[in-house]
Amino acid sequence: AQTVTQSQPEMSVQEAETVTLSCTYDTSESNYYLFWYKQPPSRQMILVIRQEAYKQQNATENRFSVNFQKAAKSFSLKISDSQLGDTAMYFCAFMRPMEYGNKLVFGAGTILRVKS
Amino acid sequence: SAVISQKPSRDICQRGTSLTIQCQVDSQVTMMFWYRQQPGQSLTLIATANQGSEATYESGFVIDKFPISRPNLTFSTLTVSNMSPEDSSIYLCSVGDSDYGYTFGSGTRLTVV
Repeated sequence: AQTVTQSQPEMSVQEAETVTLSCTYDTSESNYYLFWYKQPPSRQMILVIRQEAYKQQNATENRFSVNFQKAAKSFSLKISDSQLGDTAMYFCAFMRPMEYGNKLVFGAGTILRVKS
Repeated sequence: SAVISQKPSRDICQRGTSLTIQCQVDSQVTMMFWYRQQPGQSLTLIATANQGSEATYESGFVIDKFPISRPNLTFSTLTVSNMSPEDSSIYLCSVGDSDYGYTFGSGTRLTVV
């Protein structure tokens, strides 16, 4: 079974600084997808960034970027120029291809607090 | 990406009763997913709902406790039956795929007293 591990229960960062959230996963598959989701106190799940395993290039979305290390099964999220609105729970998620039901498996989450 | 309207946003229910949660999607989707998020924890998949067939439940979740309806490609309901305080959680529905990621409803915060 696939597992996703987020080893940092809580993180804090000063506004405008950079923070990296860690995620590792375990799978024997070669084709899969990885996601980072943000859940602010409103509890709405918001997609931050996605990565396809067969693409070597790291995904980037504005201030958010990932460091995808397929051999190491690592998928960390870097947030640059942190803003107060980035305060939220962040979940790393793994998805197997369609033939396995397109199911998402989530990590335990990391609470990120951005301080002014 | 799809937009999901989930209702109710929150409810307080008496133990032994049932609550039905609705999700309406603004486009037709093949698969809908229902998740439970216990307080301070991550999301756990309850079941996958396909239109025209019975839902597929994950280990630890059964149809008698969490019956799911999927009458068409834009709508689904999840019922939490015979509730106990242990069912107090946030329940979320989701749709999507690998190309666009997954969209979630705004969640239903259920408190059982």
